[in-house]
Amino acid sequence: KAGVTQTPRYLIKTRGQQVTLSCSPISGHRSVSWYQQTPGQGLQFLFEYFSETQRNKGNFPGRFSGRQFSNSRSEMNVSTLELGDSALYLCASSQVSQGSTDTQYFGPGTRLTVL
Amino acid sequence: AQSVTQPDIHITVSEGASLELRCNYSYGATPYLFWYVQSPGQGLQLLLKYFSGDTLVQGIKGFEAEFKRSQSSFNLRKPSVHWSDAAEYFCAVAEGNTNAGKSTFGDGTTLTVKP
Repeated sequence: KAGVTQTPRYLIKTRGQQVTLSCSPISGHRSVSWYQQTPGQGLQFLFEYFSETQRNKGNFPGRFSGRQFSNSRSEMNVSTLELGDSALYLCASSQVSQGSTDTQYFGPGTRLTVL
Repeated sequence: AQSVTQPDIHITVSEGASLELRCNYSYGATPYLFWYVQSPGQGLQLLLKYFSGDTLVQGIKGFEAEFKRSQSSFNLRKPSVHWSDAAEYFCAVAEGNTNAGKSTFGDGTTLTVKP
């Protein structure tokens, strides 16, 4: 099976702009989670989508949003970009089957630089 | 709220020496614990996970971890380190074995391997 893919891999934006990142989960996986990784804050949970619904949410401002499509692909959007949004954004997918232990598989990440 | 502490920010070991990376967690119920490895510019790769059963867990690349409930620890070990093990290692905890999609990560431990 193909792994989790994220596009684009690298992105440069300026303050005030908005950005959309895409994540394609492993085939058959229904949950997609997003994490932000920065040197200062480490890995922080943004949100999780399952069956097109946001199932969990981290402590990020409303400028960060996401959605999931019927084929489980997910996008996250950041509006009004700030310098502090520069980070590696990681997507992870998991199968979420009844009665089985869940495991996340991570994509390579999208490196966002805000100038 | 759950939390994870990795006391060692940076560890240096000689190639062929043994390795132990420490992880302490805080979680009220039965934790679902993970160790991941991240190479520069890459996503996270799962090394091993623990939810229940034998408290000594075997993972990929010759790694193992031991869950000690009394010490709230889940330390990662490897008997003989290879130069290719140089990377950053993350311990994580999730709320139950069906909710891996919302994991809390430690700050990571960077491993340097001396020839």
